[in-house]
Amino acid sequence: GQNIDQPTEMTATEGAIVQINCTYQTSGFNGLFWYQQHAGEAPTFLSYNVLDGLEEKGRFSSFLSRSKGYSYLLLKELQMKDSASYLCAVKDSNYQLIWGAGTKLIIKP
Amino acid sequence: DTAVSQTPKYLVTQMGNDKSIKCEQNLGHDTMYWYKQDSKKFLKIMFSYNNKELIINETVPNRFSPKSPDKAHLNLHINSLELGDSAVYFCASSLGTGGSETQYFGPGTRLLVL
Repeated sequence: GQNIDQPTEMTATEGAIVQINCTYQTSGFNGLFWYQQHAGEAPTFLSYNVLDGLEEKGRFSSFLSRSKGYSYLLLKELQMKDSASYLCAVKDSNYQLIWGAGTKLIIKP
Repeated sequence: DTAVSQTPKYLVTQMGNDKSIKCEQNLGHDTMYWYKQDSKKFLKIMFSYNNKELIINETVPNRFSPKSPDKAHLNLHINSLELGDSAVYFCASSLGTGGSETQYFGPGTRLLVL
């Protein structure tokens, strides 16, 4: 079967750095996405990785290791507005997105 | 200038009723999706259309029937609503189905079946 694993919940302090991990086992791989979802809102696109390495976009970076089936999302200089769920999703060999259950990130002052 | 819009935003109805949710995108995308997000926040694909043709049809009760009158619209009709249908339903669209194609989501329809 296909599986995406992420921690259910994480807590971090405003101004700090947090790393949200995602491991995946899918039939084929055509890219990995990270989405942010605030409570009661729609998921919004954050990043896409298809090659190994780090992609940086402002305060957010995403890393991929295809050989390890592993990715992480790194959030720097945390702000209260970063409190949200972060969803990891992988496109399989059929180009269908397989979603993780999301990691709820709580930011404390 | 909303990219992906859904109506209604909230839907409260009785068991056994039939209801429809509408979705429209003005991004010029070819592919549209319906997702169900349950109370545990897990996003589950239900259907996908590419150029008005059904390309993904997951194991969903046949009480759920999608319809795509044109590339910009994808509607979802639900017959004989059940308590377990209560969830948030998201519509999404993407330029195509390729690896890097990002999916853009509508605001969601919160369905509560009483």
